[in-house]
Amino acid sequence: AQRVTQPEKLLSVFKGAPVELKCNYSYSGSPELFWYVQYSRQRLQLLLRHISRESIKGFTADLNKGETSFHLKKPFAQEEDSAMYYCALSVPAGGTSYGKLTFGQGTILTVHP
Amino acid sequence: DTGVSQNPRHKITKRGQNVTFRCDPISEHNRLYWYRQTLGQGPEFLTYFQNEAQLEKSRLLSDRFSAERPKGSFSTLEIQRTEQGDSAMYLCASSPSRGTDTQYFGPGTRLTVL
Repeated sequence: AQRVTQPEKLLSVFKGAPVELKCNYSYSGSPELFWYVQYSRQRLQLLLRHISRESIKGFTADLNKGETSFHLKKPFAQEEDSAMYYCALSVPAGGTSYGKLTFGQGTILTVHP
Repeated sequence: DTGVSQNPRHKITKRGQNVTFRCDPISEHNRLYWYRQTLGQGPEFLTYFQNEAQLEKSRLLSDRFSAERPKGSFSTLEIQRTEQGDSAMYLCASSPSRGTDTQYFGPGTRLTVL
């Protein structure tokens, strides 16, 4: 069965510092990887997905199949980045469509002024 | 608001009672998912629907849990004979089911079983 591990429950940085939130996964096939974010008193929302290769709010994440990792990075953290971040994995549920998400435990990022 | 909605937002019940939650997905979305989230954990998959068909159920979904999506639109999740261990946030998400699709989450229903 697939598994997602986020080794840090808490991460604190100062504004302007680089930040990296770690995510490792276990799955033998070709998963799709996501980062979801939950800001205070808001619903869970997609931050980015590996197939898009986009940079959202200055965040990037590269899928490393050799290390089975999908770490989230931002060169200069901002106070508004403070939130809970979840790494998630999706595998083919059948046919060509992807189904359920398997989430990590989450990392609370706090960016201090 | 065209996002996923869930009702009620909070539910407090006594052990042994039955509860039912409702999820209204984004209107054109064919797939609907239910997840459960306990304190300090990420969401865990419970079940999902493609239109009205329930395609997969997690082993977390005991016999006391049942989910329906009768007309392929809104969905209900019922828990019978609630136990204190059922206390959690129940999340609903929907996606348009074309290729690899983003899931859009609702605000959740927080269940407290006393």
